[in-house]
Amino acid sequence: AQSVTQLDSQVPVFEEAPVELRCNYSSSVSVYLFWYVQYPNQGLQLLLKYLSGSTLVKGINGFEAEFNKSQTSFHLRKPSVHISDTAEYFCAVSDPGGATNKLIFGTGTLLAVQP
Amino acid sequence: DAEITQSPRHKITETGRQVTLACHQTWNHNNMFWYRQDLGHGLRLIHYSYGVQDTNKGEVSDGYSVSRSNTEDLPLTLESAASSQTSVYFCASSVSGGELFFGEGSRLTVL
Repeated sequence: AQSVTQLDSQVPVFEEAPVELRCNYSSSVSVYLFWYVQYPNQGLQLLLKYLSGSTLVKGINGFEAEFNKSQTSFHLRKPSVHISDTAEYFCAVSDPGGATNKLIFGTGTLLAVQP
Repeated sequence: DAEITQSPRHKITETGRQVTLACHQTWNHNNMFWYRQDLGHGLRLIHYSYGVQDTNKGEVSDGYSVSRSNTEDLPLTLESAASSQTSVYFCASSVSGGELFFGEGSRLTVL
Protein backbone atom coordinates (compact mmCIF):
# COMPACT_ATOMS: atom_id res chain seq x y z
CA ALA A 1 0.00 0.00 0.00
CA GLN A 2 1.04 3.55 -0.67
CA SER A 3 2.60 5.40 2.26
CA VAL A 4 4.22 8.72 3.09
CA THR A 5 6.94 9.27 5.68
CA GLN A 6 7.68 12.59 7.29
CA LEU A 7 10.71 11.83 9.44
CA ASP A 8 10.62 15.00 11.52
CA SER A 9 7.64 15.50 13.79
CA GLN A 10 8.88 18.96 14.79
CA VAL A 11 11.39 21.35 13.26
CA PRO A 12 12.45 24.38 15.32
CA VAL A 13 14.08 27.19 13.37
CA PHE A 14 14.94 30.83 13.91
CA GLU A 15 13.26 33.57 11.94
CA GLU A 16 14.94 34.38 8.59
CA ALA A 17 16.80 31.06 8.59
CA PRO A 18 16.31 28.51 5.79
CA VAL A 19 14.30 25.37 6.41
CA GLU A 20 13.76 21.98 4.80
CA LEU A 21 10.91 19.65 5.71
CA ARG A 22 11.49 16.10 4.55
CA CYS A 23 9.02 13.80 2.84
CA ASN A 24 9.56 10.34 1.40
CA TYR A 25 6.95 8.17 -0.29
CA SER A 26 6.79 4.51 -1.17
CA SER A 27 5.88 3.81 -4.75
CA SER A 28 7.50 2.38 -7.82
CA VAL A 29 4.96 3.94 -10.15
CA SER A 30 4.13 7.47 -11.14
CA VAL A 31 2.49 9.47 -8.39
CA TYR A 32 1.20 12.92 -7.70
CA LEU A 33 2.63 14.71 -4.68
CA PHE A 34 1.32 17.53 -2.52
CA TRP A 35 2.23 19.72 0.43
CA TYR A 36 -0.55 21.15 2.59
CA VAL A 37 -0.29 23.61 5.49
CA GLN A 38 -2.52 23.72 8.56
CA TYR A 39 -2.58 26.82 10.75
CA PRO A 40 -3.88 26.44 14.33
CA ASN A 41 -7.56 25.55 14.54
CA GLN A 42 -8.00 25.66 10.79
CA GLY A 43 -8.40 23.23 7.93
CA LEU A 44 -5.67 22.37 5.48
CA GLN A 45 -4.77 24.47 2.46
CA LEU A 46 -2.66 23.58 -0.53
CA LEU A 47 0.92 24.90 -0.62
CA LEU A 48 2.04 23.26 -3.85
CA LYS A 49 1.67 20.14 -5.96
CA TYR A 50 3.66 18.04 -8.40
CA LEU A 51 1.73 16.31 -11.15
CA SER A 52 4.30 16.16 -13.96
CA GLY A 53 6.92 18.24 -15.74
CA SER A 54 9.59 20.26 -13.95
CA THR A 55 10.80 18.58 -10.79
CA LEU A 56 11.11 21.92 -8.99
CA VAL A 57 7.71 23.15 -7.94
CA LYS A 58 7.02 26.60 -6.57
CA GLY A 59 4.11 27.27 -4.26
CA ILE A 60 2.54 29.99 -2.20
CA ASN A 61 4.27 31.99 0.54
CA GLY A 62 7.74 31.47 -0.96
CA PHE A 63 7.82 27.69 -0.50
CA GLU A 64 9.18 25.27 -3.08
CA ALA A 65 9.66 21.52 -3.33
CA GLU A 66 11.76 19.23 -5.45
CA PHE A 67 10.56 15.90 -6.75
CA ASN A 68 13.31 13.27 -6.76
CA LYS A 69 12.11 10.05 -8.32
CA SER A 70 15.28 8.06 -7.66
CA GLN A 71 15.15 8.88 -3.95
CA THR A 72 11.33 8.86 -3.80
CA SER A 73 11.42 12.18 -2.02
CA PHE A 74 9.54 15.46 -2.19
CA HIS A 75 11.22 17.78 0.32
CA LEU A 76 9.77 21.22 1.06
CA ARG A 77 12.08 24.23 1.36
CA LYS A 78 11.98 27.91 2.11
CA PRO A 79 15.10 30.11 2.02
CA SER A 80 13.97 32.46 4.80
CA VAL A 81 11.13 31.73 7.20
CA HIS A 82 8.86 34.13 9.07
CA ILE A 83 7.06 33.82 12.37
CA SER A 84 3.83 33.52 10.38
CA ASP A 85 5.08 30.27 8.82
CA THR A 86 4.60 28.51 12.16
CA ALA A 87 2.14 25.75 11.32
CA GLU A 88 1.83 22.03 10.69
CA TYR A 89 2.87 20.83 7.24
CA PHE A 90 1.58 17.67 5.63
CA CYS A 91 2.99 15.81 2.67
CA ALA A 92 0.53 13.72 0.66
CA VAL A 93 0.61 11.31 -2.25
CA SER A 94 -2.12 10.28 -4.61
CA ASP A 95 -3.62 6.84 -4.74
CA PRO A 96 -1.63 4.50 -7.00
CA GLY A 97 -4.70 4.09 -9.16
CA GLY A 98 -3.94 7.47 -10.58
CA ALA A 99 -6.76 9.54 -9.10
CA THR A 100 -5.41 12.91 -8.15
CA ASN A 101 -7.90 13.43 -5.38
CA LYS A 102 -7.75 10.42 -3.07
CA LEU A 103 -4.77 11.45 -1.00
CA ILE A 104 -2.70 9.57 1.56
CA PHE A 105 -1.14 11.89 4.10
CA GLY A 106 2.01 11.74 6.18
CA THR A 107 1.93 12.28 9.93
CA GLY A 108 2.85 15.95 9.65
CA THR A 109 5.76 18.18 10.66
CA LEU A 110 5.30 21.06 13.03
CA LEU A 111 7.40 24.01 11.92
CA ALA A 112 8.10 26.19 14.94
CA VAL A 113 9.66 29.52 13.98
CA GLN A 114 11.32 31.36 16.85
CA PRO A 115 12.23 35.07 16.93
CA ASP B 1 -17.96 33.01 -2.17
CA ALA B 2 -18.08 29.27 -2.53
CA GLU B 3 -17.10 27.38 0.58
CA ILE B 4 -17.21 24.13 2.50
CA THR B 5 -18.76 24.15 5.96
CA GLN B 6 -18.83 21.57 8.71
CA SER B 7 -21.19 21.34 11.66
CA PRO B 8 -21.07 21.10 14.53
CA ARG B 9 -17.58 22.45 15.09
CA HIS B 10 -17.45 20.89 18.55
CA LYS B 11 -19.45 18.02 19.98
CA ILE B 12 -19.32 15.96 23.14
CA THR B 13 -21.27 12.71 23.21
CA GLU B 14 -21.48 9.48 25.16
CA THR B 15 -20.37 6.01 24.20
CA GLY B 16 -23.01 4.16 22.23
CA ARG B 17 -24.86 7.20 20.90
CA GLN B 18 -25.35 7.88 17.21
CA VAL B 19 -23.63 11.00 15.94
CA THR B 20 -23.85 12.73 12.57
CA LEU B 21 -21.35 15.30 11.35
CA ALA B 22 -22.54 17.48 8.51
CA CYS B 23 -20.51 18.65 5.52
CA HIS B 24 -21.89 21.08 2.95
CA GLN B 25 -20.04 22.53 -0.04
CA THR B 26 -21.22 25.18 -2.45
CA TRP B 27 -18.60 24.63 -5.16
CA ASN B 28 -20.64 21.97 -6.94
CA HIS B 29 -17.67 19.59 -6.63
CA ASN B 30 -18.22 15.96 -7.58
CA ASN B 31 -15.67 14.56 -5.12
CA MET B 32 -16.09 14.67 -1.35
CA PHE B 33 -13.98 13.11 1.40
CA TRP B 34 -13.97 12.57 5.15
CA TYR B 35 -10.69 12.35 7.06
CA ARG B 36 -9.90 12.05 10.73
CA GLN B 37 -6.85 13.70 12.26
CA ASP B 38 -5.09 12.20 15.26
CA LEU B 39 -1.76 13.04 16.83
CA GLY B 40 0.94 10.83 15.39
CA HIS B 41 -1.27 9.58 12.58
CA GLY B 42 -1.77 12.61 10.38
CA LEU B 43 -4.97 12.48 8.34
CA ARG B 44 -6.56 9.16 7.57
CA LEU B 45 -9.27 8.65 4.99
CA ILE B 46 -12.60 7.39 6.33
CA HIS B 47 -14.98 7.50 3.35
CA TYR B 48 -15.17 9.23 0.02
CA SER B 49 -17.62 9.86 -2.80
CA TYR B 50 -17.10 10.64 -6.47
CA GLY B 51 -20.70 11.66 -7.09
CA VAL B 52 -24.35 11.31 -6.09
CA GLN B 53 -25.18 7.80 -4.87
CA ASP B 54 -21.48 6.85 -4.95
CA THR B 55 -19.69 6.04 -1.67
CA ASN B 56 -16.44 4.21 -0.99
CA LYS B 57 -14.59 3.01 2.09
CA GLY B 58 -11.26 4.47 3.05
CA GLU B 59 -8.54 3.01 5.26
CA VAL B 60 -10.37 3.55 8.59
CA SER B 61 -14.05 3.10 7.70
CA ASP B 62 -15.11 0.68 10.47
CA GLY B 63 -17.81 2.25 12.64
CA TYR B 64 -18.59 5.01 10.15
CA SER B 65 -21.04 5.43 7.29
CA VAL B 66 -21.82 8.10 4.69
CA SER B 67 -24.55 8.75 2.15
CA ARG B 68 -24.58 11.04 -0.88
CA SER B 69 -28.09 12.05 -1.90
CA ASN B 70 -27.08 15.32 -3.56
CA THR B 71 -23.94 17.03 -4.80
CA GLU B 72 -23.60 19.48 -1.89
CA ASP B 73 -23.71 17.22 1.17
CA LEU B 74 -21.83 14.23 2.56
CA PRO B 75 -22.88 13.59 6.18
CA LEU B 76 -20.71 11.27 8.27
CA THR B 77 -22.53 9.02 10.75
CA LEU B 78 -21.08 7.18 13.71
CA GLU B 79 -23.69 4.51 14.38
CA SER B 80 -22.52 3.76 17.94
CA ALA B 81 -19.84 6.15 19.09
CA ALA B 82 -16.75 4.71 20.78
CA SER B 83 -13.99 6.46 22.74
CA SER B 84 -11.56 5.50 19.97
CA GLN B 85 -13.52 7.79 17.67
CA THR B 86 -12.59 10.88 19.66
CA SER B 87 -10.82 12.92 17.01
CA VAL B 88 -10.92 15.94 14.75
CA TYR B 89 -12.84 15.25 11.55
CA PHE B 90 -12.22 17.07 8.29
CA CYS B 91 -14.40 17.14 5.23
CA ALA B 92 -12.91 18.04 1.85
CA SER B 93 -14.13 18.41 -1.71
CA SER B 94 -12.62 18.70 -5.17
CA VAL B 95 -13.24 18.42 -8.87
CA SER B 96 -11.50 15.64 -10.75
CA GLY B 97 -7.83 16.49 -11.10
CA GLY B 98 -8.12 19.50 -8.80
CA GLU B 99 -6.85 20.25 -5.34
CA LEU B 100 -8.74 19.34 -2.19
CA PHE B 101 -10.54 22.14 -0.34
CA PHE B 102 -10.94 21.45 3.36
CA GLY B 103 -13.52 22.52 5.91
CA GLU B 104 -12.40 23.88 9.26
CA GLY B 105 -12.96 20.63 11.10
CA SER B 106 -15.30 19.13 13.68
CA ARG B 107 -13.85 18.19 17.05
CA LEU B 108 -15.67 15.16 18.49
CA THR B 109 -15.21 13.91 22.05
CA VAL B 110 -16.73 10.58 23.03
CA LEU B 111 -16.97 10.06 26.80
